[in-house]
Amino acid sequence: GAGVSQTPSNKVTEKGKYVELRCDPISGHTALYWYRQSLGQGPEFLIYFQGTGAADDSGLPNDRFFAVRPEGSVSTLKIQRTERGDSAVYLCASSSPGQGSEAFFGQGTRLTVV
Amino acid sequence: GESVGLHLPTLSVQEGDNSIINCAYSNSASDYFIWYKQESGKGPQFIIDIRSNMDKRQGQRVTVLLNKTVKHLSLQIAATQPGDSAVYFCAEKGGNTGKLIFGQGTTLQVKP
Repeated sequence: GAGVSQTPSNKVTEKGKYVELRCDPISGHTALYWYRQSLGQGPEFLIYFQGTGAADDSGLPNDRFFAVRPEGSVSTLKIQRTERGDSAVYLCASSSPGQGSEAFFGQGTRLTVV
Repeated sequence: GESVGLHLPTLSVQEGDNSIINCAYSNSASDYFIWYKQESGKGPQFIIDIRSNMDKRQGQRVTVLLNKTVKHLSLQIAATQPGDSAVYFCAEKGGNTGKLIFGQGTTLQVKP
């Protein structure tokens, strides 16, 4: 596709359940980022992949959150034992290698934990 | 007319006027800065960027100014249009880390 694709666009889950959020980056982009955006706030960094490896996971709030990118393309953000405070829009972005490369964002997955 | 000042959560301007949106960044080691526009229900969209070795960069109808002394960034939009209505975020990136640190957003409202 032409842009970053995230699925599902909306996800409602019950407290305590496990969820997976998917990100398809732009083809050829080696860098992939996950952010979380709460209502009225700016995106908050979660994790950054360079290829298959997590180069920086300092933003993951706790060990309930985990992300993978096994083949260096599609990434999955996994949240265990979801809590109501996890409700937010989860954004994925990708970019070409290089410090000054523009990051392109997907439309996000709106997660609601009830 | 123009609207200039410290960071404001909301900025309301008349169509055709110039807009100035301000942002304070946190890390003096940051060497790359970006402005994003975010419309309701969409992800952030790149507008313009600037490196720390510059103090001004112009795009189409937009200009970004960087003042490293006071760690301040501004976005100027010329002849603001209704389609410019959105939330605007500044973001900084530093060192070898790929992560962007986003600032507080400003909601720009353009009155016809």
